[in-house]
Amino acid sequence: EAGVAQSPRYKIIEKRQSVAFWCNPISGHATLYWYQQILGQGPKLLIQFQNNGVVDDSQLPKDRFSAERLKGVDSTLKIQPAKLEDSAVYLCASSLDRRVSPLHFGNGTRLTVT
Amino acid sequence: AQSVSQHNHHVILSEAASLELGCNYSYGGTVNLFWYVQYPGQHLQLLLKYFSGDPLVKGIKGFEAEFIKSKFSFNLRKPSVQWSDTAEYFCAVNEGRDDKIIFGKGTRLHILP
Repeated sequence: EAGVAQSPRYKIIEKRQSVAFWCNPISGHATLYWYQQILGQGPKLLIQFQNNGVVDDSQLPKDRFSAERLKGVDSTLKIQPAKLEDSAVYLCASSLDRRVSPLHFGNGTRLTVT
Repeated sequence: AQSVSQHNHHVILSEAASLELGCNYSYGGTVNLFWYVQYPGQHLQLLLKYFSGDPLVKGIKGFEAEFIKSKFSFNLRKPSVQWSDTAEYFCAVNEGRDDKIIFGKGTRLHILP
């Protein structure tokens, strides 16, 4: 089966600019996650979707981050405006079932904010 | 708040040595437990998981992990490591009543040939 697709792989922007990341989950996976992984740390959940509804966005900095999953398939994560501390790898993952299925990760987008 | 602790941040071993990576979690109720691995240049992938039943679970590539509820631990083991096991390993926990999966900070394993 095709894996989770993410683009772009790398992005360099200046602080206060905006950026968007795209994710296409595995076909049939209802649950989609965005994680932020800062260097030297484990992935931190930003937002979780079940189909096109938000299940958990408690750790999403909503003043600058937004995400949507139109039609319950692809998803976009946006940062506007970016700060230096947003430099990280942004991982998208999907799973069949919210509770018992393992996560399938994409390769991630490495964001550098200068 | 639920948390996951991985005790070793960086481990260096020679080939054929035995491996044990520690993982402790803070939640006292029903949990689902995972180990994920990220090989150099690749995406995170599942190594093994525990949901219920036998607390000793076996995963891919000869890895196993033991869930010890009284110690809130889920340590990863392999009796004899190979150079190809060089990777970063993440322990993750999901509360039984919650969908959120919390990751530890990871352990970077380097195997000397």
